[in-house]
Amino acid sequence: EVQLVQSGAEVKEPGESLIISCKASGYSFMNFWIGWVRQLPGKGLEWMGIVFPGDSETKYSPPFEGQVTISADRSITTAYLQWSSLKASDSAMYYCVRHVEVGAPDHWGQGTLVTVSS
Amino acid sequence: QSALTQPASVSGSPGQSITISCTGTSSDVGGYNLVYWYQQHPGKAPKLLIYDVNKWTSGVSYRFSGSKSGNTASLTISGLQADDEADYYCSSYTRSSTLSVFGSGTQVTVL
Repeated sequence: EVQLVQSGAEVKEPGESLIISCKASGYSFMNFWIGWVRQLPGKGLEWMGIVFPGDSETKYSPPFEGQVTISADRSITTAYLQWSSLKASDSAMYYCVRHVEVGAPDHWGQGTLVTVSS
Repeated sequence: QSALTQPASVSGSPGQSITISCTGTSSDVGGYNLVYWYQQHPGKAPKLLIYDVNKWTSGVSYRFSGSKSGNTASLTISGLQADDEADYYCSSYTRSSTLSVFGSGTQVTVL
């Protein structure tokens, strides 16, 4: 059974750094893209970016390029989403997803709620 | 990459059928038979219902069905039930920076 288990909710202050994680299991981690999707409160789904663990190739959606870093560690089948300096506008739910190479996301993590407030 | 266009809301009475549209371009919906549909209940993660336009994910009710014509895909919910009240999103493969694009989302209300 494919499972994506994300790290727990975070409360941070503006300017702080943060890394959230997504532990994958039940499939060949190296052979599927894994990505991150943002959902602002009461809003729709936004692609942030994706990484291919097999060769670490990473693609970012233009609004998020330079704002976050996406990576994956094949040895522990875990993907990461990283911020170096959080803003209040980063407060949202973040989902990791497994992405079929020629297709779309087919499995979702449970979500990680990030709250940024002073 | 612009989001695919969905109606903001659709409603129906129990037992009725409703259809949610998802309009893109020839670069996404119209170019590939790779449209996915997701259901998201409040406070929950999205769940895949339909993939490759009209194939059911294991365990999904056959009351949900997908189709496509040109640049527009559709999700039909037959025999509407109270538990179908949720947000629905489409997604399509595209040769973009993130490999796929999401729809804007549709809130389904069961009257």
